[in-house]
Amino acid sequence: KNEVEQSPQNLTAQEGEFITINCSYSVGISALHWLQQHPGGGIVSLFMLSSGKKKHGRLIATINIQEKHSSLHITASHPRDSAVYICAVSDRPYNTDKLIFGTGTRLQVFP
Amino acid sequence: DAGVTQSPTHLIKTRGQQVTLRCSPKSGHDTVSWYQQALGQGPQFIFQYYEEEERQRGNFPDRFSGHQFPNYSSELNVNALLLGDSALYLCASSSRWTLIVRETQYFGPGTRLLVL
Repeated sequence: KNEVEQSPQNLTAQEGEFITINCSYSVGISALHWLQQHPGGGIVSLFMLSSGKKKHGRLIATINIQEKHSSLHITASHPRDSAVYICAVSDRPYNTDKLIFGTGTRLQVFP
Repeated sequence: DAGVTQSPTHLIKTRGQQVTLRCSPKSGHDTVSWYQQALGQGPQFIFQYYEEEERQRGNFPDRFSGHQFPNYSSELNVNALLLGDSALYLCASSSRWTLIVRETQYFGPGTRLLVL
């Protein structure tokens, strides 16, 4: 069993829909990261959180430490949100530490 | 301010050959981590360098080695290439002097390696 599990693996949506991607982890963590990967490979960090909730534009990330679960929400989805969204965790409180990644959720948003 | 850069962008090699991939960290960063991402999978941690030494290592064989230079740039070397080494190799940089987690790691665009 992977230490970081994401669901769903694939997701399609119509423009404007509310989207939720889930991440569960089995290890002790100090931080959880949500990242976005576009075709071609480049990875961009969206959020890093260790408790509660963070919001940036149309993106919202939440984490429940007790339940070892995090969600990434996209409100009013747009075709440009189409990408792979990856959850990753680090088990020590230093930002240099290795990340343990999930396998990603491929999102396609259609006009 | 240039972000993390990697070279080459693409590479084709044959089994048994050796390859060297390069990474320049974001300005102000001193730590470089390397990840391997097979098709359809999440990245897997290979190793991390700072102060020109390997500090952490993932579950990769000794065929995978690296180096960090005084200017903090880094190389990933893979010897005796196997078909299974075909993947996207990602470099991420960060700063050890931001000790508490507040700043994320920055990723380069990756080098796509194909082993035939």
